[in-house]
Amino acid sequence: QVQLQESGPGLVKPSETLSLTCTVSGGSISSYYWSWIRQPPGKGLEWIGYIYYSGSTNYNPSLKSRVTISVDMSKNQFSLKMSSVTAADTAVYYCARAANYDFWSGYDYWGQGTLVTVSS
Amino acid sequence: DIQLTQSPSFLSASVGDRVTITCRASQGISSYLAWYQQKPGKAPKLLIYAASTLQSGVPSRFSGGGSGTEFTLTISSLQPEDFATYYCQQLNSPQTFGGGTKVEIK
Repeated sequence: QVQLQESGPGLVKPSETLSLTCTVSGGSISSYYWSWIRQPPGKGLEWIGYIYYSGSTNYNPSLKSRVTISVDMSKNQFSLKMSSVTAADTAVYYCARAANYDFWSGYDYWGQGTLVTVSS
Repeated sequence: DIQLTQSPSFLSASVGDRVTITCRASQGISSYLAWYQQKPGKAPKLLIYAASTLQSGVPSRFSGGGSGTEFTLTISSLQPEDFATYYCQQLNSPQTFGGGTKVEIK
């Protein structure tokens, strides 16, 4: 059974960089697309971007200037870095696997989510 | 970006009811639409992809339909475990989600 687990600081100061890692267990990171998706408290979902296991990426244009997603196949992990954060970036951050080896079929496995609060 | 509008945003229903949620896209998205169920404090769960394909392990009382700009999620007979918030997602880039439909017990 594939499992995803987010890890990283739960509190980040304004203007600093948010860094999260998603560790994939029970399956290989190969051959799939992997995404980061966030949800501000009490609000809806926002797609941040995805990375293919080979390293190619696609970002939400609204966040593209501040976001980098990378993959480490040796550790079966992928990561998110978001720079210059503000209070508006406070959210539960989810990592997720795209279903069916493509990015057209939604996300079939999700991490439990990690709350990141931006505050001084 | 493609905007997704879900209706209703809130729905009160009873166990056994047939429930339909609509998702309208601001432009055509073919069948690149997924539906999720989310319960409080939990990650979303994939129910339907490609507009009408049931994800493995999801009960058959869930069904999806539509193409182009109008889509539906139907629960044929609402069960106690179905009370949750439902989201649609379109998979063209940038991917976007609908605002959600909260299904509560009447």
